[in-house]
Amino acid sequence: DQQVKQNSPSLSVQEGRISILNCDYTNSMFDYFLWYKKYPAEGPTFLISISSIKDKNEDGRFTVFLNKSAKHLSLHIVPSQPGDSAVYFCAAMRNSGNTPLVFGKGTRLSVIA
Amino acid sequence: DARVTQTPRHKVTEMGQEVTMRCQPILGHNTVFWYRQTMMQGLELLAYFRNRAPLDDSGMPKDRFSAEMPDATLATLKIQPSEPRDSAVYFCASGWGLGGRNTFGSGTRLTVV
Repeated sequence: DQQVKQNSPSLSVQEGRISILNCDYTNSMFDYFLWYKKYPAEGPTFLISISSIKDKNEDGRFTVFLNKSAKHLSLHIVPSQPGDSAVYFCAAMRNSGNTPLVFGKGTRLSVIA
Repeated sequence: DARVTQTPRHKVTEMGQEVTMRCQPILGHNTVFWYRQTMMQGLELLAYFRNRAPLDDSGMPKDRFSAEMPDATLATLKIQPSEPRDSAVYFCASGWGLGGRNTFGSGTRLTVV
């Protein structure tokens, strides 16, 4: 049973437009959420995170939104750049429960110039 | 930049052979994770260690997989005997505790024919 779901395997966006990647989770005990970015032939790298006490966290062009009642989070990239083309993994954990990350299956973002 | 080093980067082996993958975590990190990436399952957690002690290996097929940390600078993942369904990219990651912002290696791409 997938506790973290990324229902869109892929997404294509024009350069300069907004990219919105979505993630749903089923475990209401999750209280810390992260996004990782992965380029081909490399390992995932940490991108941005959000704690359940917040509903938004911003870092430059990247913003993560959390809707706890809907058990949904999203990653916004504005403006999208060709270098953003990668696989994005959503991950969640129970920080208070001391359990490791659970990852979604990833969404492949293609930013078209 | 400190990095997690994984060897080999690529491995092609015949079914039934033993495979050993190695990982050098970042010095000072006390938690080491093994993940497997497949198209169907995304990033699956296989096992993890804290201070070299195995905490959880419930994600691994016990009959053929084993994970160890002989010392603080080396983690190993062995498959014996290997099967074609083991073909995947195996990632090692290290971090401080289960905080989530772990550093991943570049992975070992395993192909079992």
